[in-house]
Amino acid sequence: DGGITQSPKYLFRKEGQNVTLSCEQNLNHDAMYWYRQDPGQGLRLIYYSQIVNDFQKGDIAEGYSVSREKKESFPLTVTSAQKNPTAFYLCASSISGDGGRNTIYFGEGSWLTVV
Amino acid sequence: GNSVTQMEGPVTLSEEAFLTINCTYTATGYPSLFWYVQYPGEGLQLLLKATKADDKGSNKGFEATYRKETTSFHLEKGSVQVSDSAVYFCALRGNYGGATNKLIFGTGTLLAVQP
Repeated sequence: DGGITQSPKYLFRKEGQNVTLSCEQNLNHDAMYWYRQDPGQGLRLIYYSQIVNDFQKGDIAEGYSVSREKKESFPLTVTSAQKNPTAFYLCASSISGDGGRNTIYFGEGSWLTVV
Repeated sequence: GNSVTQMEGPVTLSEEAFLTINCTYTATGYPSLFWYVQYPGEGLQLLLKATKADDKGSNKGFEATYRKETTSFHLEKGSVQVSDSAVYFCALRGNYGGATNKLIFGTGTLLAVQP
């Protein structure tokens, strides 16, 4: 089935560690995104990528890094510089072009907890 | 800049009641508007969308009409079910070229339907 797969579903990070969240899509979408969701709040954009080997900072990029070496993959690294990383992380993708009319599709999310 | 404001929750209804969740937006030009639904512990699913003024999006008994004169995109359903209990997010994307078409979310409205 076509879709967006995020892994792991649950992840625990110790203080000072870097962790990487995986996101893979088989929808042949050019654009991919990472959002962060905190309890009772909306989603905030961390990074996005419109095309392979290119990505842009979103609204809350500090303490995060990404890569886009393959069209289908957009991993997110939560570095030790991110002081409050406990949150629900959502990966998404969409077709590029046609302005903003295209729908952005989301994965099932990954829960990251600092212990 | 662009923004979305939706009504505070939680909204608690009895089964078969009428639902309205208000959403208003601020945007330059003619954005596309979306409603997403999030069930507990899951990612976001597109519920419906509208890409131009006076369009009506509909799905699973839910409807929303793009009203440019009132900058609104209120979500309605004539008869809610217990299975509709979830968090509902209103969102917009600007219809500009290139990398500025971020999806901007409201804070979400929790709907709880009681049997």
